[in-house]
Amino acid sequence: EDQVTQSPEALRLQEGESSSLNCSYTVSGLRGLFWYRQDPGKGPEFLFTLYSAGEEKEKERLKATLTKKESFLHITAPKPEDSATYLCAVRMYSGGGADGLTFGKGTHLIIQP
Amino acid sequence: DGGITQSPKYLFRKEGQNVTLSCEQNLNHDAMYWYRQDPGQGLRLIYYSQIVNDFQKGDIAEGYSVSREKKESFPLTVTSAQKNPTAFYLCASSIAHLETQYFGPGTRLLVL
Repeated sequence: EDQVTQSPEALRLQEGESSSLNCSYTVSGLRGLFWYRQDPGKGPEFLFTLYSAGEEKEKERLKATLTKKESFLHITAPKPEDSATYLCAVRMYSGGGADGLTFGKGTHLIIQP
Repeated sequence: DGGITQSPKYLFRKEGQNVTLSCEQNLNHDAMYWYRQDPGQGLRLIYYSQIVNDFQKGDIAEGYSVSREKKESFPLTVTSAQKNPTAFYLCASSIAHLETQYFGPGTRLLVL
């Protein structure tokens, strides 16, 4: 069964302490991997789309990378405003079936000042 | 400002009542989606529409209905057949099917 697993479930860092969040997937026929940020009580905010192994994208303190089995969201020198839940989602080749995104459960990130 | 709006922000449903959640977008996107988010679970797809007057069931469509009469609007009705409707409902849109999805602010549905 296709599956998206994010780890860790929760992560607490000190301000300036760099780390990485993981998203592993077991889908067949990947057609895109997406990273979103979600603040409490709000809708997810789009961050990155990755399509092929080896691809990397950066935005401010965030960098997303993709391999054939997983993606990492690297956070460099985070600030308290980076605190949020980070969601990973994949789109797979559906062959005509339901064709939305399959989401992981998210990583809840807290950056302490 | 282009974007996706959802209303209301909070909605209360009584037993046996149907309720409708609104989703409007002014991004000129063809595709629209409805997801449900429960604590400790990933978002799950309820319905999606690739184009006006067409929509498809997602993974958890039972107890829900939708319509797509206008490009800008994709309302979701939670019927009395949905026995566990309490959740955070998210609407999304994309310029075309299979492209990046952008989300609205969400509607929280509670049962009285």
